[in-house]
Amino acid sequence: DAMVIQNPRYQVTQFGKPVTLSCSQTLNHNVMYWYQQKSSQAPKLLFHYYDKDFNNEADTPDNFQSRRPNTSFCFLDIRSPGLGDAAMYLCATRWGRSESNQPQHFGDGTRLSIL
Amino acid sequence: AQSVTQPDIHITVSEGASLELRCNYSYGATPYLFWYVQSPGQGLQLLLKYFSGDTLVQGIKGFEAEFKRSQSSFNLRKPSVHWSDAAEYFCAVGATGTASKLTFGTGTRLQVTL
Repeated sequence: DAMVIQNPRYQVTQFGKPVTLSCSQTLNHNVMYWYQQKSSQAPKLLFHYYDKDFNNEADTPDNFQSRRPNTSFCFLDIRSPGLGDAAMYLCATRWGRSESNQPQHFGDGTRLSIL
Repeated sequence: AQSVTQPDIHITVSEGASLELRCNYSYGATPYLFWYVQSPGQGLQLLLKYFSGDTLVQGIKGFEAEFKRSQSSFNLRKPSVHWSDAAEYFCAVGATGTASKLTFGTGTRLQVTL
């Protein structure tokens, strides 16, 4: 089945140690999103790619970066994780070219813990 | 700016009972509305969506939702809840445009008692 796959499912890193989360998709969707979801909260959009165009949300900290080397892959880099960055990180994709509004498809997320 | 309100943080229902989860939205034009479900430790699964047309939309797992423009609501319903429906439910409104960013409500946690 076509899917949005996030690796790893669980990631533990040390305070201040850079970490990279990955997302791949077989849906061939042109739009990819990264969300941060803290416990018992709604997902919060960090940024998204429309094709190769990167779009950062205004309140996303500079500590968070992203790369999209090709259509299928997107990475979330946290340069110096703090305790407040412990959360579930969700990747989503969407087909954004047609006039009809297509829904976002989510991966199962990566749970990030900071020691 | 668009916003979504889910007034009920936590709902408990008995298995076999009916369910209605409330969602109110604020959006300046015709909204694109979604319901997603999230099981513990999992991502979000799309239950159903409303873009236009028939205001009563059917989704997966026996869920349906009704769009009421006059009330700015998009409530989720299920006639008979199963224990496996216990999860977090998020209502979301999507902006028009190619990026179609979602704004989520704060979620409703559903507990099902046997």
